[in-house]
Amino acid sequence: DTGVSQDPRHKITKRGQNVTFRCDPISEHNRLYWYRQTLGQGPEFLTYFQNEAQLEKSRLLSDRFSAERPKGSFSTLEIQRTEQGDSAMYLCASSLASGGPYEQYFGPGTRLTVT
Amino acid sequence: AQSVAQPEDQVNVAEGNPLTVKCTYSVSGNPYLFWYVQYPNRGLQFLLKYITGDNLVKGSYGFEAEFNKSQTSFHLKKPSALVSDSALYFCAVRDRASGTYKYIFGTGTRLKVLA
Repeated sequence: DTGVSQDPRHKITKRGQNVTFRCDPISEHNRLYWYRQTLGQGPEFLTYFQNEAQLEKSRLLSDRFSAERPKGSFSTLEIQRTEQGDSAMYLCASSLASGGPYEQYFGPGTRLTVT
Repeated sequence: AQSVAQPEDQVNVAEGNPLTVKCTYSVSGNPYLFWYVQYPNRGLQFLLKYITGDNLVKGSYGFEAEFNKSQTSFHLKKPSALVSDSALYFCAVRDRASGTYKYIFGTGTRLKVLA
């Protein structure tokens, strides 16, 4: 068990560019979450998957954000036409699903800076 | 709507003294409650959770938390603080009755243990 990994760890992009982040959860975890965290705030829920199905998406998430989890394994989060307000730490977490509720295991995050 | 509040941005305590980090919540039904800790340059780590049953929950690293339904609180405690406990602590809640698997995190409390 190598834990949750995220790639890249840091991303600097220019406003208007598209970016994609990857999350590899713990292998036996069915549930996968994406959060956004800004300085001085707690993680803010973006979306979650159970296996390959995206079951809930935050109303705060604009149409520029999309997430996928093909085959129920790794997940990607894409932000199109980035804006300076998208600058934040993007966190991925995974957990078991059956029974529970189970604690989430968080990755180290991807820090996005939009210039 | 579910929400969680951590009223203190920072808590300072002397090493060896007891510590308390406060958390209050608001949900329409019964809550699932969690505490996570974030060390610098590290991902969030699970400390403990309340699901049902005994109101006093014991977790990792000697931490415990007391669920108080009448006061809608879930304060984190430790009998004797260590300098190594200095970190950022987050409380999280999920509404058991809502049918959602979405977790709401507080804004965090920075704990500083002074030698």
